[in-house]
Amino acid sequence: AQSVTQLDSQVPVFEEAPVELRCNYSSSVSVYLFWYVQYPNQGLQLLLKYLSGSTLVKGINGFEAEFNKSQTSFHLRKPSVHISDTAEYFCAVTRLTGGGNKLTFGTGTQLKVEL
Amino acid sequence: EPEVTQTPSHQVTQMGQEVILRCVPISNHLYFYWYRQILGQKVEFLVSFYNNEISEKSEIFDDQFSVERPDGSNFTLKIRSTKLEDSAMYFCASETDSSSYEQYFGPGTRLTVT
Repeated sequence: AQSVTQLDSQVPVFEEAPVELRCNYSSSVSVYLFWYVQYPNQGLQLLLKYLSGSTLVKGINGFEAEFNKSQTSFHLRKPSVHISDTAEYFCAVTRLTGGGNKLTFGTGTQLKVEL
Repeated sequence: EPEVTQTPSHQVTQMGQEVILRCVPISNHLYFYWYRQILGQKVEFLVSFYNNEISEKSEIFDDQFSVERPDGSNFTLKIRSTKLEDSAMYFCASETDSSSYEQYFGPGTRLTVT
């Protein structure tokens, strides 16, 4: 079974400051990793994914994440946040098997960007 | 840009009643999913559906739940006899194929069971 831990339930940050949202995972099998964002009253939108290759992946809206296998982490970063980045961010994993891709989510981190 | 749509946006029902939540996935997608999020909790997988059959389901997805793709465009989740603990936001998602690893989510249906 897989599990995802997002230790920070809320992260307040000032506009134009850098931010890091932490994600750690646990799995007995190889997994793929994802970050999703949820704006108020909307569905989840894929920010970025790590499947293989370079451990630094770039996503939409200037976000990037680094896969660290030894630390089983996939932290999300942005060098300079904007007010519009205020949203809930979910880290998720799926195992490498055939068939459908069941996503296992963390509890989410609410990013609040302040002026 | 194509998107996944869900209706209704909010459904209120009484305990013991049947509800059907509807989703229209993106038209060329082949894999379909339902997830739910109880208020304040994490998003949980319920079921995946491919080629007109369930490919995987979670422990939550018991005999009270069923899914169907009745007409090639809609994808429905039925709860036969709702319980208070079924109150949650239900998200539908669709995916082009299993190798894309890009699920597109709908805006959700908030189900309130009273």
